[in-house]
Amino acid sequence: GAVVSQHPSWVICKSGTSVKIECRSLDFQATTMFWYRQFPKQSLMLMATSNEGSKATYEQGVEKDKFLINHASLTLSTLTVTSAHPEDSSFYICSARDGKLRTLTYNEQFFGPGTRLTVL
Amino acid sequence: SQQGEEDPQALSIQEGENATMNCSYKTSINNLQWYRQNSGRGLVHLILIRSNEREKHSGRLRVTLDTSKKSSSLLITASRAADTASYFCATDDPGNTGKLIFGQGTTLQVKP
Repeated sequence: GAVVSQHPSWVICKSGTSVKIECRSLDFQATTMFWYRQFPKQSLMLMATSNEGSKATYEQGVEKDKFLINHASLTLSTLTVTSAHPEDSSFYICSARDGKLRTLTYNEQFFGPGTRLTVL
Repeated sequence: SQQGEEDPQALSIQEGENATMNCSYKTSINNLQWYRQNSGRGLVHLILIRSNEREKHSGRLRVTLDTSKKSSSLLITASRAADTASYFCATDDPGNTGKLIFGQGTTLQVKP
């Protein structure tokens, strides 16, 4: 159980186009999903927190108009990179929390396999 | 923001040797987790240690936590070539937002 998928696993696009990445929790309901980006040989950097049915909360320095996040259902969150440029090329990873877990001190997140975005 | 710092940044050992990675953090925590990432892949959860625990074992993994020093270590015993990966520690956001704050990671290479 507790599987998170991402689609696509990799995408190549031209500069100026928009790219949508999907994150799905396959066997549980995820009230909260998180989006990270990771540059080569670096750690994960949290971009935003996505809560089902409400607006995403963005980390400082992340442009919300460029990285559009939609969490319309308990099993799906999408990240759209609008007007992508080469500097947006990165590895994007999502994670999801199981909404049924009520333990306050145990923050279990399940990670997707990541999406490699290359902008030419 | 990244609050965790890990050392070493890179570690190369021979198969069969033990590998120790350290992680330091800055704020109070409820728990600390260790993850593994193979090149170009997602994260695999290895182990979680709560703030009231000092040591935890899982197979060949041993994690320690010293909250007074705000540090944790991950020991992999009898390493295998398949252990080659990047290892990250992650602490929960002290504001209980559910966010995880990742360390910079240690890249481990185990030579056969």
